[in-house]
Amino acid sequence: AQSVTQLGSHVSVSEGALVLLRCNYSSSVPPYLFWYVQYPNQGLQLLLKYTSAATLVKGINGFEAEFKKSETSFHLTKPSAHMSDAAEYFCAVSDRRSNYQLIWGAGTKLIIKP
Amino acid sequence: GAGVSQSPSNKVTEKGKDVELRCDPISGHTALYWYRQRLGQGLEFLIYFQGNSAPDKSGLPSDRFSAERTGESVSTLTIQRTQQEDSAVYLCASSQQAGTDTQYFGPGTRLTVL
Repeated sequence: AQSVTQLGSHVSVSEGALVLLRCNYSSSVPPYLFWYVQYPNQGLQLLLKYTSAATLVKGINGFEAEFKKSETSFHLTKPSAHMSDAAEYFCAVSDRRSNYQLIWGAGTKLIIKP
Repeated sequence: GAGVSQSPSNKVTEKGKDVELRCDPISGHTALYWYRQRLGQGLEFLIYFQGNSAPDKSGLPSDRFSAERTGESVSTLTIQRTQQEDSAVYLCASSQQAGTDTQYFGPGTRLTVL
């Protein structure tokens, strides 16, 4: 069965610093991988997704993620954090064995220090 | 409508009462999903509808939970004889088709069982 592990329930970075949110997955068949963001008092929205094309995926708001099969990882990065990036970020995986149901990580709350 | 809508936005009920939550998906989306998000946790899949196929109910936690969908439109999630552990945010999402299509989320219904 698939699973998703997000390392760190809270990550704190200074404004302007690199953002790195970690996601590791397990899947016995080629996965599809997603990052969603939930801003305070708003619904979930898709940041980016990997669906077996380019391994480096660019998303909205300057975020990107790289699929690394050998490491079973799909870490989310942004070169320079903005205050507006403060939110909760969720990694999710799906594959054909699960009928493409999304399996979610527990989420990482990103805190931006001024 | 422009996005997925859910009602009510908040629901407070007493233990043992039944509640009904509603989801209006994006027009034309054939797939509809219900998730539960407990405080500080990731999303937990409940049930999924795809067109006229039989729904995937594999995530429903007990027989107190049920859901219906009329064609490719509105869905209702019903929880009978609510328990305090049912307190959570219930999220609905829709996508054009199942699989790797992006899921668009509603704002959720926050259920509190006293």
